[in-house]
Amino acid sequence: GQNIDQPTEMTATEGAIVQINCTYQTSGFNGLFWYQQHAGEAPTFLSYNVLDGLEEKGRFSSFLSRSKGYSYLLLKELQMKDSASYLCAVRDRRELSFGAGTTVTVRA
Amino acid sequence: GAVVSQHPSWVICKSGTSVKIECRSLDFQATTMFWYRQFPKQSLMLMATSNEGSKATYEQGVEKDKFLINHASLTLSTLTVTSAHPEDSSFYICSARGTGQTAYEQYFGPGTRLTVT
Repeated sequence: GQNIDQPTEMTATEGAIVQINCTYQTSGFNGLFWYQQHAGEAPTFLSYNVLDGLEEKGRFSSFLSRSKGYSYLLLKELQMKDSASYLCAVRDRRELSFGAGTTVTVRA
Repeated sequence: GAVVSQHPSWVICKSGTSVKIECRSLDFQATTMFWYRQFPKQSLMLMATSNEGSKATYEQGVEKDKFLINHASLTLSTLTVTSAHPEDSSFYICSARGTGQTAYEQYFGPGTRLTVT
């Protein structure tokens, strides 16, 4: 299995930038995913990293360092609708395991 | 593409009864389906993994006789919670993975909120 750690909560102001860190330990790395989950809804896919480096997709970017077992999700130009839980998930050969999630609250 | 549906979206049942939740892949063939459970303010916990036509593989601590999983076709998996109790009240989410372009990502259904009274 994997040990996946991410902060529990973060608060930021509308228009600002927030970086959510995720560290993991896995026996067979096969990709790292970030999902967004609003309360009472299923997770929605944000990004996927399997190689080291930065993947940019609009206001969201995700970074991976496999040697350090580290990833971050960068949210730019925060909007109120970005208030949600952000889940870091690591896939080994068989399954996807989720971190506990980081609740991001965007304030006006 | 790659849409997964779940039915029902919410259900309330009495303690001791059984509830069946359906998970369907609408536009791709799901060779593998996953069932997760999520309690309030907690992350998704994998319950079991099923491959079409095979018995499901349950995670440690998940009772296979209580949570019956059937994956009889490439587009449908069902989770039956037997003899439900209030502690089974949770948000149940399925996800599916296919082949080819749908192989690297898991596509999630919208979830089913189960309340056992």
